Amino acid sequence: DQQVKQNSPSLSVQEGRISILNCDYTNSMFDYFLWYKKYPAEGPTFLISISSIKDKNEDGRFTVFLNKSAKHLSLHIVPSQPGDSAVYFCAASDRNAGNMLTFGGGTRLMVKP
Amino acid sequence: GAVVSQHPSWVICKSGTSVKIECRSLDFQATTMFWYRQFPKQSLMLMATSNEGSKATYEQGVEKDKFLINHASLTLSTLTVTSAHPEDSSFYICSAGAATGAGQVGDTQYFGPGTRLTVL
Repeated sequence: DQQVKQNSPSLSVQEGRISILNCDYTNSMFDYFLWYKKYPAEGPTFLISISSIKDKNEDGRFTVFLNKSAKHLSLHIVPSQPGDSAVYFCAASDRNAGNMLTFGGGTRLMVKP
Repeated sequence: GAVVSQHPSWVICKSGTSVKIECRSLDFQATTMFWYRQFPKQSLMLMATSNEGSKATYEQGVEKDKFLINHASLTLSTLTVTSAHPEDSSFYICSAGAATGAGQVGDTQYFGPGTRLTVL
């Protein structure tokens, strides 16, 4: 039973355009959500997070939106750059239950020059 | 800040041997660290939660006698894969969140660079 899902295994975007990565979750106890960027054979790099009390958090080119009623979050990258090409994982945690992360399956983003 | 290191970055060993992987938080204290495993083209799966000064908590299906975890200090957790077999070959990653006081783990976890284990 996958509690966190990223339904798009891959996404291709032109440089300068917006990249939108989506993530759905089923566990209503999750109250903290994170996005990580990962290259092969490396550990995930933290990008941005959002608490369940917010619906939007922005950091530079990265914005995360949270729709609690739909149990859906998305990561917007604008403008997209070739260096953004990587696998992006969304993760969720229940801060009252130990804070361990549950990861989605990942979405491979390819930004074409 | 919030740097997590892992050592070694890769290891090749013979079947039946034991391998120890270290995870260190370099610039913060971590009362709790987490160990994940990633198989090729798959997501990260939580193996266990490592608690400083107490026993680790293992996820369902993870053999605690095979994957020994020791959290000896606030900056070091070790994962020992005992009697490794080829099916244990994987990418092992640790993460840590900064302690925010009152035993609480920081909301954001930072990951080490990972350790590639290949068992021949």
